[in-house]
Amino acid sequence: SYELTQPPSVSVSPGQTARITCSADALPRQYASWYQQKPGQAPVLVIYKDTERPSGIPERFSGSSSGTTVTLTISGVQAEDEADYYCQSADSSGTYVVFGGGTKLTVL
Amino acid sequence: QVQLQESGPGLVKPSETLSLTCTVSGGSVSDNYWSWIRQPPGKGLEWIGYIYYSGNTKYNPSLKSRVTISVDTSKNQFSLKLISVIAADTAVYYCARVVPAVLGYHFDYWGQGTLVTVSS
Repeated sequence: SYELTQPPSVSVSPGQTARITCSADALPRQYASWYQQKPGQAPVLVIYKDTERPSGIPERFSGSSSGTTVTLTISGVQAEDEADYYCQSADSSGTYVVFGGGTKLTVL
Repeated sequence: QVQLQESGPGLVKPSETLSLTCTVSGGSVSDNYWSWIRQPPGKGLEWIGYIYYSGNTKYNPSLKSRVTISVDTSKNQFSLKLISVIAADTAVYYCARVVPAVLGYHFDYWGQGTLVTVSS
């Protein structure tokens, strides 16, 4: 089955830059999106089409893509950014949606 | 602003059918694709499937034999049915709007989620 691989956890101090990666074989042909999920809340879209940021999402959130890896970068991390982050894409045929396993971002 | 609200029983017995409805406000189900996604307690997100208002559907291959997603344009709702449920189907179930692109999809609006527990 098709899978997206994320690190289980990432830790950063306030003000530093956090980078969360997501890798899979089909990513060069399918866009990736990123979602932030805080405890007890629904996921929120923070990046789509690899690099696009929805309105209302702070500029410190950015996305990039290189080969089979996409990266969510949070610059100047704030305490409120502590959450689980999920990447999402589709299989190489573009038929089926898949989520990564999630990364817990801890702000030290 | 599009809003989605899930509704349905919070407790389902093993082997029975889980049925949920998502009511859309601030937008029309006839304008987009719509999806169901679930999250077992303490675990990650799992895509269940999506539907277009015309009735075109795609399902997660791991659930395809048990899942049906349908749409009711007159009520501006779409629904999920999952048959023969087991304890592993216990999860928070989310409905979401799908934005398709030439190379992929993303989910821009989500419901708040509803917890469904499978237990006798």
